[in-house]
Amino acid sequence: QKEVEQDPGPLSVPEGAIVSLNCTYSNSAFQYFMWYRQYSRKGPELLMYTYSSGNKEDGRFTAQVDKSSKYISLFIRDSQPSDSATYLCAMSAKGTGGGNKLTFGTGTQLKVEL
Amino acid sequence: GAVVSQHPSWVICKSGTSVKIECRSLDFQATTMFWYRQFPKQSLMLMATSNEGSKATYEQGVEKDKFLINHASLTLSTLTVTSAHPEDSSFYICSASRLDTQYFGPGTRLTVL
Repeated sequence: QKEVEQDPGPLSVPEGAIVSLNCTYSNSAFQYFMWYRQYSRKGPELLMYTYSSGNKEDGRFTAQVDKSSKYISLFIRDSQPSDSATYLCAMSAKGTGGGNKLTFGTGTQLKVEL
Repeated sequence: GAVVSQHPSWVICKSGTSVKIECRSLDFQATTMFWYRQFPKQSLMLMATSNEGSKATYEQGVEKDKFLINHASLTLSTLTVTSAHPEDSSFYICSASRLDTQYFGPGTRLTVL
């Protein structure tokens, strides 16, 4: 069993839709939860991170963590064609990055259509 | 700020040759850099952690004699794929750490014929 499971998609939605992306994990030591966006043939860029359980909002993006269920989500409101990319969840026991190892999900490919 | 570059962006080589990939932090110093490999539709797999001035720490299953990592300065780490074979064809991505965040390079696509 992988430490982090993520549906690879592809997920196709119409412009303006609310998108829900999810990951589950098995390692209860994970405390830091991140979402990265990766465009084709590019490196990932950090969108948001959350420590422990709870919600965090940044513009059209909301990250949720439910540690009791070992389940994290990223919601995108009013989705735009420019949001079309692969979204990767990442987790760490000790920090958001720095010198700490990150464990990634496989990524969900999202396409927002006009 | 916090820009990481990789060179080359893509490379094609013959089986048996060696390929060097550079990772640079352009506007900050990075004590720690990471090297990842990503196969199509798969996750980023950490290969090794590179600390400036010391030997790299390799993940289980990664051959340290095949994937040579050098972190000679606070802004440069290199990954050399020695005696490359077609199964080494992949997307190699580095990241550099600044404070609590890893900043990723744009990746290098390696194709071994």
